[in-house]
Order: sequence, then C-alpha cells, then structure tokens
Amino acid sequence: QQKVQQSPESLSVPEGGMASFNCTSSDRNFQYFWWYRQHSGEGPKALMSIFSDGDKKEGRFTAHLNKASLHVSLHIRDSQPSDSALYFCAARATDSNYQLIWGSGTKLIIKP
Amino acid sequence: EAAVTQSPRNKVAVTGGKVTLSCNQTNNHNNMYWYRQDTGHGLRLIHYSYGAGSTEKGDIPDGYKASRPSQENFSLILELATPSQTSVYFCASGASDRNYAEQFFGPGTRLTVL
Repeated sequence: QQKVQQSPESLSVPEGGMASFNCTSSDRNFQYFWWYRQHSGEGPKALMSIFSDGDKKEGRFTAHLNKASLHVSLHIRDSQPSDSALYFCAARATDSNYQLIWGSGTKLIIKP
Repeated sequence: EAAVTQSPRNKVAVTGGKVTLSCNQTNNHNNMYWYRQDTGHGLRLIHYSYGAGSTEKGDIPDGYKASRPSQENFSLILELATPSQTSVYFCASGASDRNYAEQFFGPGTRLTVL
C-alpha cells in the first residue's frame, strides 16, 4: 500500500525558534505534495503545496522537495505560539483518482 | 473562500443505532471525501465521490455507507453504530479539473457511540 512516513511524531520548539518536519514517500509516482495544518477543534487547512524539486518559500514557511530521494520537508522560522498545531504532509500520484495519501501527522508545540 | 460545513458538530449515539452525518459544500467541487481522524492514525479515507449519484469506497469503508444526492451534499451513514466508530469525522471537497487541486475541509463532527 502506498505510504507517506512522517516524522517526528511531536516537536517542542521555543518561541522564535525553527521547527522542521519531514516526510518520505514510498512511491515514485507521487508528484504533488502538500503541507496541511490543523489547529485544535478545526479541520485541516492547506498551508503550502510543492510540486517541483527545490525550495518554495512563503513568508516564515519553507518547503523543500527532493523527488529523487522521495523526501519533502517543511521548515518554520521564527515560530509563534499560533503555529502550535498538528501538521500533515499529503501526496498525490500523477495517475491517482484525486486521492491524497496522508502522513500520520506531527504535533508542534511552541513554548513561550 | 471555499466553504464546507458539517452537521451535527457533536453527536452521541447508542450502539446499534443509525447515525447520519451531513456535509454541504458551496465550492462547486465535483469531488467530496469523508475521513475519520483518530490519535495515532492521522486521516483515514472512508468514502469519496466524483459527483452527484457517485460513491466510492476508500481505505476503511466497512460499517459505513455514503450518499451523494447532489453536487453540494454528501452524507455518511452508520447503519448500526458501534463503539469502535467513536471518532472525529471530517468532510472535504476538491476540484477534479486538475491533479494539483487541494482539498478543503469542514470543521468536523465528533461522534461518540456508547
């Protein structure tokens, strides 16, 4: 079965610090990747997408994709208390039926 | 912005009872999805739909049925609820005209089966 392995399970970062998450996929057909963020009591919301090798930066958030190693990462600099949430990576294959394959999530806690 | 709503937001049901969770989207998306979220399992796909009248099985369909009577509405039905179905359920919608389309989620329904 197609899988996306996400790490770490949880992460505690001081306010103003850098938070980093990683995902490794098991299928070279995965071409489209997203990072979703879920605050407590809410549904997940897409944070960033990345479809090409390299870095994609949006404000304090940087995603990195390496299709050769099937690895995608997300980095948050200058972490804020509002960044405390559950973060998921999700992947889609080019020959998929619009399904997303989800990682298991990383719980991020920002310590004031 | 894309809008997906779910009802009810919280539900307590008895074992063996019938439960219907409803979802409405105003995004005019063809695709809709039902997920459940449990600690340690992330999001797991139960059923999905490509449009009105269509339902497809996801990864964990046993014990669940789905109904898509219109473009806007997608329901998840538990005919005989069991305690193992206690979970948080999310509905999502997504466009079908491009492979890079994201999914938009509702706020979730917390279901407790006693």
